[in-house]
Amino acid sequence: DAEITQSPRHKITETGRQVTLACHQTWNHNNMFWYRQDLGHGLRLIHYSYGVHDTNKGEVSDGYSVSRSNTEDLPLTLESAASSQTSVYFCASSDQTGREAFFGQGTRLTVV
Amino acid sequence: DAKTTQPTSMDCAEGRAANLPCNHSTISGNEYVYWYRQIHSQGPQYIIHGLKNNETNEMASLIITEDRKSSTLILPHATLRDTAVYYCIVRPFGNEKLTFGTGTRLTIIP
Repeated sequence: DAEITQSPRHKITETGRQVTLACHQTWNHNNMFWYRQDLGHGLRLIHYSYGVHDTNKGEVSDGYSVSRSNTEDLPLTLESAASSQTSVYFCASSDQTGREAFFGQGTRLTVV
Repeated sequence: DAKTTQPTSMDCAEGRAANLPCNHSTISGNEYVYWYRQIHSQGPQYIIHGLKNNETNEMASLIITEDRKSSTLILPHATLRDTAVYYCIVRPFGNEKLTFGTGTRLTIIP
């Protein structure tokens, strides 16, 4: 069965370190998204991509970057981790109709 | 995207129908109504969507008023596994981004 997987599921890192969160989908979807979820803020869009080599900023993109070199993967990089980036991160994908988005199980990131 | 208003929380007895309302009075003619839910600690899950006609699938029914300014998600026979946060989202066709509000926290009572 097709799926979307995130790794790692949990990570603790130090302030200032570069961190990359992986997202891999086997749906062959063109669209991929990264969200963060914090108490009191719900899910907020960080970056998204509509296809290979396409990337776009969401509402909370500062301090994050993504690259899309193939259809299956959209890694999220924190250039210099900050305590404010402690959060749960969700990756999602959908086809070009946008009818239904499929979400990964999330990555809990703690920056100390 | 149009803004939605949902109650913060609701309770429903197990086995009864759960009716979750959503107001979207500024919805545009090309915007669809989507429902997702998020069970504790998991990623959101798609439930159903519609434009103006009522829709039903294996999970739920979606009732959209004739003026499209509000809708109701119906879970016909709620179970404990339906305890989750339910998000009502409106967005234009072809716009693939989903903008989440704070949703309704539905608790199914045994």
